[in-house]
Amino acid sequence: DGGITQSPKYLFRKEGQNVTLSCEQNLNHDAMYWYRQDPGQGLRLIYYSQIVNDFQKGDIAEGYSVSREKKESFPLTVTSAQKNPTAFYLCASRPSGGGSDTQYFGPGTRLTVL
Amino acid sequence: GIQVEQSPPDLILQEGANSTLRCNFSDSVNNLQWFHQNPWGQLINLFYIPSGTKQNGRLSATTVATERYSLLYISSSQTTDSGVYFCAVADTGTASKLTFGTGTRLQVTL
Repeated sequence: DGGITQSPKYLFRKEGQNVTLSCEQNLNHDAMYWYRQDPGQGLRLIYYSQIVNDFQKGDIAEGYSVSREKKESFPLTVTSAQKNPTAFYLCASRPSGGGSDTQYFGPGTRLTVL
Repeated sequence: GIQVEQSPPDLILQEGANSTLRCNFSDSVNNLQWFHQNPWGQLINLFYIPSGTKQNGRLSATTVATERYSLLYISSSQTTDSGVYFCAVADTGTASKLTFGTGTRLQVTL
């Protein structure tokens, strides 16, 4: 099936640890995005990538890092510098061209810092 | 940056009722999407509608770009419609970075 997968579904981290969240898509989409959602809030953009080997900071990039070595994959690392990392993280992808900018979302990863 | 306001913040309906959700935005947009977030957190695409009107079953949406608002209509609501509805917009740049509203939480009761 085509789609976006995120793993793990739940992740627990001790303070001071870095963790990496996986996002994979087999939709052949060029652009990929990472968003963060806090309880009762909308989503906020962390990082985005429009093409392989290129990515840009979003609105809340501090304490996060990404890579885009393959078209299908856009992993997000939550570093120990992120002060309040407990949140729901959603990955999205978007095709380029075709007249539609629709973003499609994965199922999300819930990160809890213990 | 662009601001997005959704109203009402909370809505309780009896099954079978109709409702209208509103999204106001502060600047010109080239992307507007409506999403439904289910209880498990999955964001489900409802409409890509930067302008005009679309319908999909019991749901329809209208965006009046010149007046900077969009409306989502839900007719004959069902309990499965419960969840949070988000409006998200992107400005006229090319990266389609979405800015989300804070959502409308809908509860449909029997």
